[in-house]
Amino acid sequence: QSVLTQPPSASGTPGQRVTISCSGSSSNIGSNTVNWYQQVPGTAPKLLIYKNNQRPSGVPDRFSGSKSGTSASLAISGLHSEDEADYYCAVWVDSLNVGVFGGGTKLTVL
Amino acid sequence: EVQVVESGGGLVQPGGSLRLSCAASGFTFSVHGINWVRKAPGKGLEWISCSRGGSGTLHYADSVKGRFILSRDNAKSSLDLQMNSLRAEDTAVYYCARDINFLAFDVWGPGTMVTVSS
Repeated sequence: QSVLTQPPSASGTPGQRVTISCSGSSSNIGSNTVNWYQQVPGTAPKLLIYKNNQRPSGVPDRFSGSKSGTSASLAISGLHSEDEADYYCAVWVDSLNVGVFGGGTKLTVL
Repeated sequence: EVQVVESGGGLVQPGGSLRLSCAASGFTFSVHGINWVRKAPGKGLEWISCSRGGSGTLHYADSVKGRFILSRDNAKSSLDLQMNSLRAEDTAVYYCARDINFLAFDVWGPGTMVTVSS
């Protein structure tokens, strides 16, 4: 069980906006930046958002990230069928010098 | 092309050892942190270790501390993961990844499968 809590599942229809939450504590999200990954089963993860709200080059602006206090969110607008994947938040924990991933959220596009 | 590629996975018995390698190309290896992340069947991603860019400082997850050892060779642009005292729960796809910030991995390898079973 991860110290970063994500809902196990989320869903939406094409064109809809969905958000995925990541809840932590003052020792992880509260004191460091949050990153988000997309993983299609059988493939390597892909970085979607880093430093809370920065998009790497090539990531569509449909994907956005935010952080407030000890929680963070990933929003996907204009949902596409190819967005169906697992999504993970990730944070470095300075006090322990370890990295942690959330448990993951399986997004289904109905 | 910027890339990292893992090798060395396979089938090993419980209690055995295996050495994974991560070969990098297309970027200045020494300045980047390089991490290992694994995904066990049916489970989520798990960060397991890193070698910081510059200093090369090593960090490990509690689940592997004392059993797994990193060794970095900047001249060869490679990072090896020596895995000892392997357990069934170490069965996973192991990924090598370059970081651009703490836990922000912008380049990933295709992964290598490690199966611990008798």
